[in-house]
Amino acid sequence: KQEVTQIPAALSVPEGENLVLNCSFTDSAIYNLQWFRQDPGKGLTSLLLIQSSQREQTSGRLNASLDKSSGRSTLYIAASQPGDSATYLCAVQNPGDALNFGKGTSLLVTP
Amino acid sequence: DGGITQSPKYLFRKEGQNVTLSCEQNLNHDAMYWYRQDPGQGLRLIYYSQIVNDFQKGDIAEGYSVSREKKESFPLTVTSAQKNPTAFYLCASSIGRGGEQFFGPGTRLTVL
Repeated sequence: KQEVTQIPAALSVPEGENLVLNCSFTDSAIYNLQWFRQDPGKGLTSLLLIQSSQREQTSGRLNASLDKSSGRSTLYIAASQPGDSATYLCAVQNPGDALNFGKGTSLLVTP
Repeated sequence: DGGITQSPKYLFRKEGQNVTLSCEQNLNHDAMYWYRQDPGQGLRLIYYSQIVNDFQKGDIAEGYSVSREKKESFPLTVTSAQKNPTAFYLCASSIGRGGEQFFGPGTRLTVL
């Protein structure tokens, strides 16, 4: 079964820093990978979806990369802001399978 | 506005009771999903449906039941057979299986 790991579990950075969140997965035969944001007590907001044939996706200050051969994805956040504080979840889908989620990285951006 | 709605936001249940969580979407998506989220754990799939009148068990279906009579609706019933139902329940939908998933705001269920 696909296992998804996110490192670090928690991260605190000062406002304005660029940062990288990491996601690794054990089965490289994936269909797609999705990054989500979750605020406390709320649902998930989809940030970026990377299909297995793609290497990266960008949306505003966010850039997600995918390296299937090494089983890794990174989410890069440029010029972080206090409003970026949230938990970021990585989810991997194998063909014919449901999404497999990591436990998330809790991000705090301090003013 | 297109989106996914879940109700109620908070739900309290006495032991031995069945409760039903509502999930509605107006995105015209074929696939719908129910996940459970517990502190310190990733989301786990309870049930999913790829099309009306069809649904499949996920990883933790025991003690839960669903129906899919309409494309827009995918209610989840938490039965008395679910031994530890206190959790945050999230509904999602996608155009089809494998498409980008979009989530509702969640229902927090507490067993008293």
